[in-house]
Amino acid sequence: ILNVEQSPQSLHVQEGDSTNFTCSFPSSNFYALHWYRWETAKSPEALFVMTLNGDEKKKGRISATLNTKEGYSYLYIKGSQPEDSATYLCAPYSSASKIIFGSGTRLSIRP
Amino acid sequence: NAGVTQTPKFRVLKTGQSMTLLCAQDMNHEYMYWYRQDPGMGLRLIHYSVGEGTTAKGEVPDGYNVSRLKKQNFLLGLESAAPSQTSVYFCASRPQGQGAWSGLAKNIQYFGAGTRLSVL
Repeated sequence: ILNVEQSPQSLHVQEGDSTNFTCSFPSSNFYALHWYRWETAKSPEALFVMTLNGDEKKKGRISATLNTKEGYSYLYIKGSQPEDSATYLCAPYSSASKIIFGSGTRLSIRP
Repeated sequence: NAGVTQTPKFRVLKTGQSMTLLCAQDMNHEYMYWYRQDPGMGLRLIHYSVGEGTTAKGEVPDGYNVSRLKKQNFLLGLESAAPSQTSVYFCASRPQGQGAWSGLAKNIQYFGAGTRLSVL
């Protein structure tokens, strides 16, 4: 079973500030990595799909990078807004079928 | 387009009772998953299925059984509920993809709205 670690577990950021957090995973047997955004009382929704070492993805103010050789991915949020408050989950694939989620980073934006 | 539908949305059980949670998807997806979500622990995989008639164990399978008799449905059963099974349960599905692994890897999961289960 893939060991996935996300840090920090929780983060409180002032509105307008930028922030980032990390997903770490074993670099062997890597297929792909997904980032999900999970708002309270809703279902997780996919943000990014990352497959190649050096991948960089961007969606508005949110971006992500991937380093498969050292086994980590960063998620960045520029100019945080209250609507960014959510739990961000990473999910590396260790096989084509089984997906293991990290425990998530809970982000709260202070107005 | 309903996507992934979970029933029921809420349920309260007494210890020792049994119940079945239903997950239905209308997207013709091959893969289906059951997760449980507990405070501070993210999503933990209970069981999954890679196609009709197949099931496999995830991280925390004990105390649960599953069946995938029809492609669109994935059932999660609790034979004798315990307080430790109090949780929010999420079902997800995704397509198998086409051809090379990169196609498989890019297919994201679609989640249901969750079932909140309390075992007293």
